[in-house]
Amino acid sequence: AQSVTQLGSHVSVSEGALVLLRCNYSSSVPPYLFWYVQYPNQGLQLLLKYTSAATLVKGINGFEAEFKKSETSFHLTKPSAHMSDAAEYFCAVSDGRNTPLVFGKGTRLSVIA
Amino acid sequence: EAQVTQNPRYLITVTGKKLTVTCSQNMNHEYMSWYRQDPGLGLRQIYYSMNVEVTDKGDVPEGYKVSRKEKRNFPLILESPSPNQTSLYFCASSLLPTSGRSEQYFGPGTRLTVT
Repeated sequence: AQSVTQLGSHVSVSEGALVLLRCNYSSSVPPYLFWYVQYPNQGLQLLLKYTSAATLVKGINGFEAEFKKSETSFHLTKPSAHMSDAAEYFCAVSDGRNTPLVFGKGTRLSVIA
Repeated sequence: EAQVTQNPRYLITVTGKKLTVTCSQNMNHEYMSWYRQDPGLGLRQIYYSMNVEVTDKGDVPEGYKVSRKEKRNFPLILESPSPNQTSLYFCASSLLPTSGRSEQYFGPGTRLTVT
């Protein structure tokens, strides 16, 4: 069975600083990995996904994530935080079969001016 | 515009009064799913459907029912709501019948309070 651990329920960064949100996964088969973002009072939208192509995945709004099999990690980064990045971020894993997508518990990102 | 719609967006009800939350998508997606979101627990899947007339339980199905009579609609039914079902609910859909291979599109959410 798949599982996801997001380290840090709340991360706070200064505007212009590096954003690093951590995600570690567990999967018995090559995983499909996703990062979703939830802005206040909205549903989730896809930031980026890894589906066994390039290990460095670029997403929307300047975010990217790197798949590291040896570390079972899929951390999300952005070089320079913007106030509009304040939101909750969810990492999710799937085995690509007919099993539910498994979400992490989320990390709330605050950006300080 | 491609979207998933949910109604109502906000609902306050009393214990035991049956309710239905509707979900509709206009993207001809095969896969639809319901999640609940609770603080500190992330999103947990309630039920999912890989096609018309095909539904299956997710991680937390107790107290919920669903149906998939048409491809575009996937209503969530609470026959006898209880306070522990107070939560934020999301409907989602994706193109492929297997949930993990394609992006899921989420509705705006329904905030349910059961007193």
